[in-house]
Amino acid sequence: EIVLTQSPGTLSLSPGERATLSCRASQSVTSSFLAWYQQKPGQAPRLLIYGASTRATGIPDRFSGGGSGTDFTLTISRLEPEDFAVYYCQQYGSSPLFGGGTKVEIK
Amino acid sequence: EVQLLESGGGLVQPGGSLRLSCAGSGFTFSNYAMSWVRQAPGKGLEWVSGISGTSGNTYYADSVKGRFTISRDNSKNTLDLQMNSLRAEDTAVYYCCHHIWGPGFRGAGPWDYWGQGTLVTVSS
Repeated sequence: EIVLTQSPGTLSLSPGERATLSCRASQSVTSSFLAWYQQKPGQAPRLLIYGASTRATGIPDRFSGGGSGTDFTLTISRLEPEDFAVYYCQQYGSSPLFGGGTKVEIK
Repeated sequence: EVQLLESGGGLVQPGGSLRLSCAGSGFTFSNYAMSWVRQAPGKGLEWVSGISGTSGNTYYADSVKGRFTISRDNSKNTLDLQMNSLRAEDTAVYYCCHHIWGPGFRGAGPWDYWGQGTLVTVSS
């Protein structure tokens, strides 16, 4: 069974800085079936990226995804105040699976 | 506008049962696979179960297999989750989720629309 490990657990940054989040899979992710979600307190998650690098509808271009195989990244080029949240990577397909999450907090 | 509205959450004793429902609107319900995803208080996300759009094929996480049953009524645009033999570790907010592509679960992709969630608390 695949395990998704996200790092770091918490990222402390200031608005305007660049955020780089990592998601590492214990086995290769099929056909880059890898998504990223953002979740703010008290809200449902929001889909940001799918297919490892395709932005979902309405997602600003400061969010970008990359990687393949077992190593994936989510990059936020310049943090806006509304970007401070928890981010989850997810493998989708027949057995969907989430990583443990990375919290991006204001420094 | 796609909307998903869950109902049926509440407090139940260990070993008890609960049935969650999700009403979908703003899209052709039968054209999309659907899933339930849960989140325990202060914890991460866990996929629980999924169902294809028209074939009725169902899929379950190992943690709920044999205890939970997912079903859908495409004539009423509703998705249900029957939860039996509930345990304390089933306590969570349960989200109804719309897959981004098509009716077949395996290729249906991630979830682009989520409901607001319904809280299930299993406690004596």
